[in-house]
Amino acid sequence: KAGVTQTPRYLIKTRGQQVTLSCSPISGHRSVSWYQQTPGQGLQFLFEYFSETQRNKGNFPGRFSGRQFSNSRSEMNVSTLELGDSALYLCASSLAGTSEDEQFFGPGTRLTVL
Amino acid sequence: GENVEQHPSTLSVQEGDSAVIKCTYSDSASNYFPWYKQELGKGPQLIIDIRSNVGEKKDQRIAVTLNKTAKHFSLHITETQPEDSAVYFCAATHYGNNRLAFGKGNQVVVIP
Repeated sequence: KAGVTQTPRYLIKTRGQQVTLSCSPISGHRSVSWYQQTPGQGLQFLFEYFSETQRNKGNFPGRFSGRQFSNSRSEMNVSTLELGDSALYLCASSLAGTSEDEQFFGPGTRLTVL
Repeated sequence: GENVEQHPSTLSVQEGDSAVIKCTYSDSASNYFPWYKQELGKGPQLIIDIRSNVGEKKDQRIAVTLNKTAKHFSLHITETQPEDSAVYFCAATHYGNNRLAFGKGNQVVVIP
């Protein structure tokens, strides 16, 4: 079956702009989590959505937000971009979103903020 | 929250030798410990995981050990091959929580 897909794969924005990233989970998966990956901080949890509800949230400012649609696809939005937001943004999907389920990661969206 | 530390940051091994990566965690409630492999341009891929009711788990050339008392777990790769070259991440979480806390990652380089 198809894996997790993320669009776009690469994105270049300037400071102050906003950006929306998209994630399509594996068919049948209802949980989508988002992570930010940077060389300095590694992989950091942003938030998790399950059945269109945000179930868990990491320690990121309110400029980072997300949502999930009824087909489990998810988007994350970053407003008022800062240089430090440059990172690889990964989404991961799992069946029911418990620690019993394997999380499958997409290839990520590489965001560069100039 | 959970804090996972991973050592060493870079590991170079000769092809055929073994590689060991160690991680420590801080939250005694954590009970699920996956290991991910990330190749260039790709997202992390689960390679093995262990739960707190098990001390060791093997899958062909890879194995993971867990010491709950000391709060550390390790990944062992035997008979390393060039395709094992990648970044390896350990992570931890606890039951009912889908939020993974990751270590900073280890760059493993297998020298042919």
